[in-house]
Amino acid sequence: GAVVSQHPSRVICKSGTSVKIECRSLDFQATTMFWYRQFPKKSLMLMATSNEGSKATYEQGVEKDKFLINHASLTLSTLTVTSAHPEDSSFYICSYGTSVYNEQFFGPGTRLTVL
Amino acid sequence: AQKVTQAQTEISVVEKEDVTLDCVYETRDTTYYLFWYKQPPSGELVFLIRRNSFDEQNEISGRYSWNFQKSTSSFNFTITASQVVDSAVYFCALTLTGANNLFFGTGTRLTVIP
Repeated sequence: GAVVSQHPSRVICKSGTSVKIECRSLDFQATTMFWYRQFPKKSLMLMATSNEGSKATYEQGVEKDKFLINHASLTLSTLTVTSAHPEDSSFYICSYGTSVYNEQFFGPGTRLTVL
Repeated sequence: AQKVTQAQTEISVVEKEDVTLDCVYETRDTTYYLFWYKQPPSGELVFLIRRNSFDEQNEISGRYSWNFQKSTSSFNFTITASQVVDSAVYFCALTLTGANNLFFGTGTRLTVIP
């Protein structure tokens, strides 16, 4: 399967700062990518879907001005949590989709802690 | 709307016991894919299996087996002779053909006691 990396794996920041999380596809080009958020002991919740070169489509309840997604190339997508607050502390996971078998390849996740 | 239900929140078994994780799904589409993922403490999702809606054959892979029953909309996962390394959270998920986004169940936390 495809290899997806995320950076950083862990980040601790102060309330009010912005944090950027990178998601890279290392061995294939992906036109569609997904960002998920997972709270402790909870399931993965889809935040947004983006296609390369287009604006992201956000799920209901996800603030697009707070969670900025940039899918500038077929191998790189970024999620920026702007003016982070403690309630944004979560595990963020990206994935790249492929129309073949509708499979997704997940990154290892980024654990964000906002103090 | 699509929905995946994993009624078992937590399960504990003693090593070498068999354990079955339940998954029930809802969709009005006739074409869809079902998945199982393992999430160990590290957090990274590990792909276990994908099954399309037209293939009801059960599958066995080593100690893992899956039972897909469209009549009951279930896709259950059995681990035979469980091991401590099987301890993780297991997610069942569904996606529609061409849609790509996954609908996850709430997960089942499996603890295998040595």
